[in-house]
Amino acid sequence: QVQLQQWGAGLLKPSETLSLTCAVYGGSFSGYYWSWIRQPPGKGLEWIGEINHSGSTNYNPSLKSRVTISADTSKNQFSLKLTSVSAADTASYYCARGIPIRYSSRWINNWFDPWGQGTLVTVSS
Amino acid sequence: QSALTQPASVSGSPGQSITISCTGTNSDVGSYNLVSWYQQHPGKAPKVIIYEGSKRPSGVSNRFSHSKSGNTASLTISGLQAEDEADYYCCSYARTSFLVFGGGTKLTVL
Repeated sequence: QVQLQQWGAGLLKPSETLSLTCAVYGGSFSGYYWSWIRQPPGKGLEWIGEINHSGSTNYNPSLKSRVTISADTSKNQFSLKLTSVSAADTASYYCARGIPIRYSSRWINNWFDPWGQGTLVTVSS
Repeated sequence: QSALTQPASVSGSPGQSITISCTGTNSDVGSYNLVSWYQQHPGKAPKVIIYEGSKRPSGVSNRFSHSKSGNTASLTISGLQAEDEADYYCCSYARTSFLVFGGGTKLTVL
């Protein structure tokens, strides 16, 4: 059974860089879209971006200029970096395995399972 | 890309059925049968309960069902149970922004 375990700094100052890592245990790294999703306190979910096993990435257009997702396939890990954080970036951040589907001759991310345990990142001066 | 629109809250009594709507556009829900639904209990990570529009993962009750009409997807929970009390989120593939979630619906079991 695949499990995701994530870690990273939980308290940042404005303008710093958020950095989180997620390790994949018990399953293959290939064939999936490894994703980051966040949830501000008391609010809804927001997809941040994804990376596949070959290193191809897609990002939420609203965050694209500040986000980098990378992967270390030798360790079955993937990471999130979000630069120039502000209070608006305070949220619980989740890693998740994205399950792709073949659609109109291309693969697209489709649904998420499992999820990591979440990391609350607070941005405060 | 704006979030998909869900009602902020719904409620029902044990044994009843409730429906949560998820309204998007013809760039997401209306164009793709790729809606998924997630259940989130307080302090927990979301858990998928419906994917690819109509499929349920192993272990998820058949009390959860999905339908779609035009740009609106709906999650129906029949035979409400106390354990169903949670937040529910829809998610759809979107042509220009890859994946978009709904704002979430809080289900209260009376």
